[in-house]
Amino acid sequence: GESVGLHLPTLSVQEGDNSIINCAYSNSASDYFIWYKQESGKGPQFIIDIRSNMDKRQGQRVTVLLNKTVKHLSLQIAATQPGDSAVYFCAEIQANQAGTALIFGKGTTLSVSS
Amino acid sequence: ETGVTQTPRHLVMGMTNKKSLKCEQHLGHNAMYWYKQSAKKPLELMFVYSLEERVENNSVPSRFSPECPNSSHLFLHLHTLQPEDSALYLCASSQVPPGSPLHFGNGTRLTVT
Repeated sequence: GESVGLHLPTLSVQEGDNSIINCAYSNSASDYFIWYKQESGKGPQFIIDIRSNMDKRQGQRVTVLLNKTVKHLSLQIAATQPGDSAVYFCAEIQANQAGTALIFGKGTTLSVSS
Repeated sequence: ETGVTQTPRHLVMGMTNKKSLKCEQHLGHNAMYWYKQSAKKPLELMFVYSLEERVENNSVPSRFSPECPNSSHLFLHLHTLQPEDSALYLCASSQVPPGSPLHFGNGTRLTVT
């Protein structure tokens, strides 16, 4: 079936480094993608989203890149901080399809050491 | 304050018990969702309610029964659960049609003994 996956289950970085978390998706009909951050004991928290008519979107210290040719999504975190330590999920959806819901990947655990 | 509130935060129940999970959203959204999160697995969609009507049920066992009395409230009724049903149950809400982020609560950690 269709699925969203992440390349690496864990990523360890030093404080101040830039982090890149990758995600591959398989449903070519998906046109809306979201990155979530989940800290221990909490629900997933929205970070940034991107629609398929864009290939890059920037937020505060985060950038999402979308490569539709290879169905690849990445999240870049600049100057990673200890507070960025969490599990990161990518999710996809076909927008404007009533009754559909997000499909999530397995998640990448980001560990930031100071 | 996440805008989506789930109660209880933790629940321990025996296999013969009946309990309910509650979710309330304060964001004015018109769709609500139940997801199951188990260790080492992606979030699994269980139920979707859009405009208070159930529009998707991903082959969830009948021991899970959702209820959506209005656009702000969602329940998950549990009965005769199995130990493998132990997980974090997450509620989310959004606007429909989709194309905007889902907002999640902090979940109910369910342990079935």
